[in-house]
Amino acid sequence: DQQVKQNSPSLSVQEGRISILNCDYTNSMFDYFLWYKKYPAEGPTFLISISSIKDKNEDGRFTVFLNKSAKHLSLHIVPSQPGDSAVYFCAASEAAAGNKLTFGGGTRVLVKP
Amino acid sequence: DVKVTQSSRYLVKRTGEKVFLECVQDMDHENMFWYRQDPGLGLRLIYFSYDVKMKEKGDIPEGYSVSREKKERFSLILESASTNQTSMYLCASRDPGYLINTEAFFGQGTRLTVV
Repeated sequence: DQQVKQNSPSLSVQEGRISILNCDYTNSMFDYFLWYKKYPAEGPTFLISISSIKDKNEDGRFTVFLNKSAKHLSLHIVPSQPGDSAVYFCAASEAAAGNKLTFGGGTRVLVKP
Repeated sequence: DVKVTQSSRYLVKRTGEKVFLECVQDMDHENMFWYRQDPGLGLRLIYFSYDVKMKEKGDIPEGYSVSREKKERFSLILESASTNQTSMYLCASRDPGYLINTEAFFGQGTRLTVV
């Protein structure tokens, strides 16, 4: 059973608008959450993260929100740019579980010029 | 600049062959991981290692084994390749982050095709 789920496989957004990517998890022991961006034929690259003791973290155009009670996090990209077109993966880790990352299925984002 | 290097970008192997995928990191990280990426399934953990000669099964270890003889190198072995092992394989390393949380760094991936 998937512990981390990204229910939207794809998202299309106009350049300059906001992209909102969602992620849900089931394991209440997860204490650290990350977003990765992946281009075809390349490895994922780290984007932004958030600890479970926070509810928001911002880095430039990227903001991650965490709602622990709902076991839900989201990534906001504002403004969206064509170079943001990629697959985005949500990941979670639990310090007591060997630091392995559990990933969601990914959301493919297409930013149209 | 941190680096995780996988030995091959593309590989084509025959069914039944023994396949070795090599990964080297230069960050002195204790934790190393092997994932495979398949459409709609995200990244699934095959095996991970938290120290030299130490390994643990991930979510989909069947048909795979690993070796970690040196801290910087983590090898994935397909004992007898099958067509359902055609996939993108991704190696990652991560500092355990005993005091702070850290991210994992990924290699560029190996696209393996088993024919």
